[in-house]
Amino acid sequence: KAGVTQTPRYLIKTRGQQVTLSCSPISGHRSVSWYQQTPGQGLQFLFEYFSETQRNKGNFPGRFSGRQFSNSRSEMNVSTLELGDSALYLCASSLVGTGRAKETQYFGPGTRLLVL
Amino acid sequence: GQQVMQIPQYQHVQEGEDFTTYCNSSTTLSNIQWYKQRPGGHPVFLIQLVKSGEVKKQKRLTFQFGEAKKNSSLHITATQTTDVGTYFCAAIDGGATNKLIFGTGTLLAVQP
Repeated sequence: KAGVTQTPRYLIKTRGQQVTLSCSPISGHRSVSWYQQTPGQGLQFLFEYFSETQRNKGNFPGRFSGRQFSNSRSEMNVSTLELGDSALYLCASSLVGTGRAKETQYFGPGTRLLVL
Repeated sequence: GQQVMQIPQYQHVQEGEDFTTYCNSSTTLSNIQWYKQRPGGHPVFLIQLVKSGEVKKQKRLTFQFGEAKKNSSLHITATQTTDVGTYFCAAIDGGATNKLIFGTGTLLAVQP
């Protein structure tokens, strides 16, 4: 079974631009979560999608948004990029995302975004 | 909100020495997960602990969940260079959610 895939793997943008990142979960997984990883703030939860609905949201400004399609693929968008948005953006998929003991989240390789 | 503290931030050991990282929460955790992230890689799930006082082993790795379910530890016996990476603990943020609150991580360096 193929793992979680993310595209693109690397991206360079300038301040003020917007960016869209894509995540394809493991086949059969319906929950997709997004995380931002920076040296200063560590791994922080952005949001989670399940059945095309945002089920949970972290403490990020409205410039960060996402969506999920009927095939469970998910995209996240960051508008009006700032220098501080430079980070590794990780998505993770799981079966149904109930947070119960048997659930495991599988992380993708991430998209490394550099904002100049 | 829930916070998970992890110590130490960094540990440098000689190959063959043991290593331990600790994870602490101010609130009771429903479960705790451990991940390993190799340099340049992404977090990879290692294990999940659910029961109070639970101890699980994976070869040279021993994971423990505290009796009060507020702390956890990961111990590696006789480290090898392949153990290099950052080890994160993560807790579910309460309720029926998949939101993980990650600890700050412990970067392990192993000198051959």
